[in-house]
Amino acid sequence: EVQLVESGGGLVQPGRSLKLSCAASGFTFSNYGMHWIRQAPTKGLEWVASISPSGGSTYYRDSVKGRFTISRDNAKSTLYLQMDSLRSEDTATYYCATAIAAMDAWGQGASVTVSS
Amino acid sequence: DIQMTQSPSFLSASVGERVTLSCKASQNINKYLDWYQQKLGEAPKLLIYNTNNLHTGIPSRFSGSGSGTDYTLTISSLQPEDVATYFCLQRNSWPLTFGSGTKLEIK
Repeated sequence: EVQLVESGGGLVQPGRSLKLSCAASGFTFSNYGMHWIRQAPTKGLEWVASISPSGGSTYYRDSVKGRFTISRDNAKSTLYLQMDSLRSEDTATYYCATAIAAMDAWGQGASVTVSS
Repeated sequence: DIQMTQSPSFLSASVGERVTLSCKASQNINKYLDWYQQKLGEAPKLLIYNTNNLHTGIPSRFSGSGSGTDYTLTISSLQPEDVATYFCLQRNSWPLTFGSGTKLEIK
């Protein structure tokens, strides 16, 4: 069974950094791309970033480009999202998801609150 | 960016009723359209990918159709456990974009 477990969320001041992790199990992590998606409180879903199986290709939404970095460690079956220069509008629950057929499996989410 | 417009934003229907949700893209997305279900307090779940492919374990009362810019999710016989918000997602081009969702309730 595919399992994705996010960690690293929390309360952070504007301008500071935070790094999310997504531990994967139940599938061959190195064979598949991965996504980060976020959802602001009471709002809809917003794609954040994606990464290819090898990590050689990455994609970002414009509003996080230059501030967020998606990466992966295939030996550890773990996906990361380094978030720098955080803004209040980055406050959301962040989900990781597999990219097999689509966004096939999702983690439970990690809550990030950016506030002074 | 491709804009995804879902309608209606809210739908109330009776148990057993056939329900149709719509998603319209601002340009051709070549059937790279998925549907996700999100129940209150839970992570989203994939229902249908690439317009009409039912994800593993999803009941057959869910189906999808469409092409070009217009796509539809149909629930053939609404069940109480289908109460949720449904989102469409286009994966034809970057950035990936979601619709704003349809909240489905039981009448």
